[in-house]
Amino acid sequence: DARVTQTPRHKVTEMGQEVTMRCQPILGHNTVFWYRQTMMQGLELLAYFRNRAPLDDSGMPKDRFSAEMPDATLATLKIQPSEPRDSAVYFCASGLAKDRLVATNEKLFFGSGTQLSVL
Amino acid sequence: SQQGEEDPQALSIQEGENATMNCSYKTSINNLQWYRQNSGRGLVHLILIRSNEREKHSGRLRVTLDTSKKSSSLLITASRAADTASYFCATDGVRRGSTLGRLYFGRGTQLTVWP
Repeated sequence: DARVTQTPRHKVTEMGQEVTMRCQPILGHNTVFWYRQTMMQGLELLAYFRNRAPLDDSGMPKDRFSAEMPDATLATLKIQPSEPRDSAVYFCASGLAKDRLVATNEKLFFGSGTQLSVL
Repeated sequence: SQQGEEDPQALSIQEGENATMNCSYKTSINNLQWYRQNSGRGLVHLILIRSNEREKHSGRLRVTLDTSKKSSSLLITASRAADTASYFCATDGVRRGSTLGRLYFGRGTQLTVWP
């Protein structure tokens, strides 16, 4: 079965360190989403790509977070420098959007997430 | 916020009973989706209902959509202990000032089904 692959599954790091999370979307999907999940905020949309172009990263703290898609098989989310408040589960999801007005025409496939702990 | 909001936050029932969860949202939508999340896992898609649809079924799941009230409900019939999970609605809404859709999730309903 096709699936979204996220690495690493778990990451423990110290405050100030750089963290890079990777996502391999499903082949043929043209949209990639990054979400962050915490108990307090729920699922927050951080960034959204279509055809590898960033469309919306307004949910992301720009001073420390960056998201890229160097190619169609890889999406990355970087935090530099990391802070304890960044501790959360980060999910990547991919989907297929056929219309400009629609985020996704079909269901999203989620990865298993990266559990990040910043000490 | 455009986020859908689920209600109730938590629901506890016995096996065999039906579980109903509701979702309310604020803006016009292209579609609304329901997802399930088991503890420590990623979200899994359950059902998608488009803005021009009113009801959809999938196995023991029934979803309704009322765009006039900006609300949706998810009904799980004959629940099982394995249905224990968090359930989220996600709205594919049009952001004001932009032609591009976004997909926003609510905080979820934690469903516990007791054997």
